[in-house]
Amino acid sequence: EVQLLESGGGLVQPGGSLRLSCAASGFTFSSYSMHWVRQAPGKGLEWVSVISPDGGLTYYADSVKGRFTISRDYSKKTLYLEMNSLRADDTAVYYCAKGQLGTVTTPWGQGTLVTVSS
Amino acid sequence: QSALTQPPSASGSPGQSVTISCTGTSSDVGGYDYVSWYQQHPGKAPKLMIYDVSKRPSGVPDRFSGSKSGNTASLTVSGLQAEDEADYYCSSYAGSTYVFGTGTKVTVL
Repeated sequence: EVQLLESGGGLVQPGGSLRLSCAASGFTFSSYSMHWVRQAPGKGLEWVSVISPDGGLTYYADSVKGRFTISRDYSKKTLYLEMNSLRADDTAVYYCAKGQLGTVTTPWGQGTLVTVSS
Repeated sequence: QSALTQPPSASGSPGQSVTISCTGTSSDVGGYDYVSWYQQHPGKAPKLMIYDVSKRPSGVPDRFSGSKSGNTASLTVSGLQAEDEADYYCSSYAGSTYVFGTGTKVTVL
C-alpha cells in the first residue's frame, strides 16, 4: 500500500525559507518519478515540481522556478522541497505524489500547510 | 503554463449524467494522451478517477468515464449518486511539466 507522509510546513515570514519532506513507503521509491502539488486555501490544485526516478531531471512550474528545489534521498526514501524567497502566494497545503507515465497518481498524504505571513 | 479551463459548476439529479469539460491547448491536452481527472471531497486529498484520458484505476466505478477531442477533454459521471458531489479537477502532461484545471464543483440536486 502506497503511503506518503509530508512534514515540515509551518509559519514563515515573506522572504524566508522552508524545507518540506515526504516519507514514502509501500512501493519501490527509486523506480518512480515524484511530484509536489499544492493547494492554496479555498483554491484549486497547482502542480509545483517533478523529479525523475534517478534524480537527474527536475522540472518546475514557472511560479516557483528559481526559488524552489526538489530533491530525493534514496536511502531514506524521502522526497524534499527546498523553498526559498517565499511569498504570500506560496501559502498552501503541499502534497507529494508518486508519478507514473504522464500521471500524478494517488493516494497522496494528508499534506503539510505552509503559511507565509508577517 | 496556464491552468486548463473547466466550468466552475455542474449539477444533476440522482441517476442522471453530468459531463465536465477541460479545455487546454495543443501543448498540453491536445498534444498528449495523458489527461487525468481527480475527485476531491471537502477537507480530503484528491483521488485519481481517470488517467490516460479514459482509463480507470482499480476500484473506480465504471460510472466514471473520460474522453478527449482535440484540445478538450471530458469527464462524464453517469447514474449520479449523492457521494459524487465533490470538486473535480483535470490535469494534463505538458511535455516535462504538468498543469491542472481550474476545478468544477459538482452538485447532486
